Amino acid sequence: GENVEQHPSTLSVQEGDSAVIKCTYSDSASNYFPWYKQELGKGPQLIIDIRSNVGEKKDQRIAVTLNKTAKHFSLHITETQPEDSAVYFCAASRTGGADGLTFGKGTHLIIQP
Amino acid sequence: DVKVTQSSRYLVKRTGEKVFLECVQDMDHENMFWYRQDPGLGLRLIYFSYDVKMKEKGDIPEGYSVSREKKERFSLILESASTNQTSMYLCASSPYNGGDTIYFGEGSWLTVV
Repeated sequence: GENVEQHPSTLSVQEGDSAVIKCTYSDSASNYFPWYKQELGKGPQLIIDIRSNVGEKKDQRIAVTLNKTAKHFSLHITETQPEDSAVYFCAASRTGGADGLTFGKGTHLIIQP
Repeated sequence: DVKVTQSSRYLVKRTGEKVFLECVQDMDHENMFWYRQDPGLGLRLIYFSYDVKMKEKGDIPEGYSVSREKKERFSLILESASTNQTSMYLCASSPYNGGDTIYFGEGSWLTVV
């Protein structure tokens, strides 16, 4: 089955700086790669996703890049703000998520004031 | 707004008890999922369902069963709770075709003593 590795497990950045979280996946048939943000005491919430026919996608301060050849994808957050502090999860699926997602183990992002 | 509601946020049960975790979604989604979340392990898929009365095993189904008698409701059952099932349980739903947002509930914290 699919295996998703996520790094780093903890990331501390100064407010206003950029943050990058990286994931690799094992199944070359995976075609859907979402990113979720989980705040304390809440369920994960989708923040951005990318499909295998696209190399990059942006939404305001958040961007995701996908390298299918190397089987890795990354989340980029620019101009970080205190409300960006949370746990972020990457995930992958070969069915667009229809039979569930395989998640990475999460990155705890800390924004230092 | 899509709403996935998990009726019990915090439960404490005794070893050997039968435990029911209930989940309801209000968007007429075909797919529903149960995950468990543990520190350092991310989210792992227990069971999912494409439709009423249908169920499929995820990555860690041992010790669990599910029930989907109505489209909007998906129940997770621990037939005989054990201490290693102490965890956060997350329910999710999505439209049938995949490639679309998977919405999560707020989670149910289960402690088995």
